Amino acid sequence: SQQGEEDPQALSIQEGENATMNCSYKTSINNLQWYRQNSGRGLVHLILIRSNEREKHSGRLRVTLDTSKKSSSLLITASRAADTASYFCALHTGTASKLTFGTGTRLQVTL
Amino acid sequence: DVKVTQSSRYLVKRTGEKVFLECVQDMDHENMFWYRQDPGLGLRLIYFSYDVKMKEKGDIPEGYSVSREKKERFSLILESASTNQTSMYLCASRPGGAGETQYFGPGTRLLVL
Repeated sequence: SQQGEEDPQALSIQEGENATMNCSYKTSINNLQWYRQNSGRGLVHLILIRSNEREKHSGRLRVTLDTSKKSSSLLITASRAADTASYFCALHTGTASKLTFGTGTRLQVTL
Repeated sequence: DVKVTQSSRYLVKRTGEKVFLECVQDMDHENMFWYRQDPGLGLRLIYFSYDVKMKEKGDIPEGYSVSREKKERFSLILESASTNQTSMYLCASRPGGAGETQYFGPGTRLLVL
C-alpha cells in the first residue's frame, strides 16, 4: 500500500505542551504533506516537505523527514486549544497525479 | 484567497435516487479531485480530473461517475444511491504539476436512507 500510517491514532495533551505525531510509509516518495482537519470540515494544507529535505518549519510547526527510515514527524510546539483537530500525512509517489492520505491522528488539546 | 466550494454541507437522499454533488473552484486550477472519508479508512480517492472533459478513476470509482464541462466545476454523480455511499465527500483542487498542495472544500455529509 502507498498509504501513510499515522501514529498515534489519538493524542490528548494540555495547552502549552508539545504534540508529536508520526507518519510511516513503505514506498519511495517525491514529497510528503501534512494537512489539518477541524471536526466536520475540509482539510487545510500545513506543510510540504520534499524527499531531498530533512526539516521544515512554519510558525509553531516543525516537520522532519527521514527517507532512510521512511518516516516523518509533525511537531506542534506550545499547543493551543485551537490546535484540536485531526492531522493527516499525504504521500506523493512516482509520477502519479494524486496524493495518498493516511488515516490521521486525532489531537485533543485541553485547557 | 483560494476558494473551493461545495453545493451542500448536508444532504439526505433515499436509496436508488440519483445524486449530484457539485464543486466549484475559483483558482483556475487544472486538477480537481473527489474523495470520500469514512471513519478508520481515511480519505479515499474516487475520481480526479486533470483538464476539462478529462477524468481518471481513483481507488474506489465503483458506483460513481463524474463530469467536468467547465474548468472551474467538477461534479460527482451517484447514479443510484445506496446506503453504503453514506459518507463525507470532499472535493479538492490543485494547480498543474504533480504533487503540489491540494485545496479542499468544506465537505458534503451525505446520508442515504
